[in-house]
Amino acid sequence: TQLLEQSPQFLSIQEGENLTVYCNSSSVFSSLQWYRQEPGEGPVLLVTVVTGGEVKKLKRLTFQFGDARKDSSLHITAAQPGDTGLYLCAGIHTGTASKLTFGTGTRLQVTL
Amino acid sequence: DTGVSQDPRHKITKRGQNVTFRCDPISEHNRLYWYRQTLGQGPEFLTYFQNEAQLEKSRLLSDRFSAERPKGSFSTLEIQRTEQGDSAMYLCASSQDRNYGYTFGSGTRLTVV
Repeated sequence: TQLLEQSPQFLSIQEGENLTVYCNSSSVFSSLQWYRQEPGEGPVLLVTVVTGGEVKKLKRLTFQFGDARKDSSLHITAAQPGDTGLYLCAGIHTGTASKLTFGTGTRLQVTL
Repeated sequence: DTGVSQDPRHKITKRGQNVTFRCDPISEHNRLYWYRQTLGQGPEFLTYFQNEAQLEKSRLLSDRFSAERPKGSFSTLEIQRTEQGDSAMYLCASSQDRNYGYTFGSGTRLTVV
């Protein structure tokens, strides 16, 4: 089983704080994606990264793919209550056909 | 096209009964995936179709589970002789390319009592 470890598992912060979520594996990814999931709904795609060292920004969210394509991070600047949710990283490992392997998830709560 | 549709949204069934879920993917997407998610966990891969061909099945998919995508469009997932351990959210997703993101449906929440 190819594991994707996310840390931290839970994060409770106040509005305006910054945070970083990490996603690590011992295997190389051909691509990695980040999703956000609300309770009772399916995950929604935030970003896809495919090149080692790639950095992508989505408003206050910054995604980085590790140089070796084994890890990734999600940084949120000035968190808002609307950022509350379950953040999932998911990767397609090199050598697998197409299926995404999901991480364990980081549950973020942003309070006023 | 309004995205990936799953039906029903919720299903409560008695242990031992059979259940069937339906997924309608985005029409241009030739890849369709089924995942299962339990509370507090990330989704776990069950099976994958490219057009009508089922190309990969997880070991999680026991003999009681079967999935079809008869004409390369919608898909069904059937669970026979349901067990309490089958209680979970069943998610369907579609994509147009292996490196494109998936579009997920809202899921079917199954409760086996």
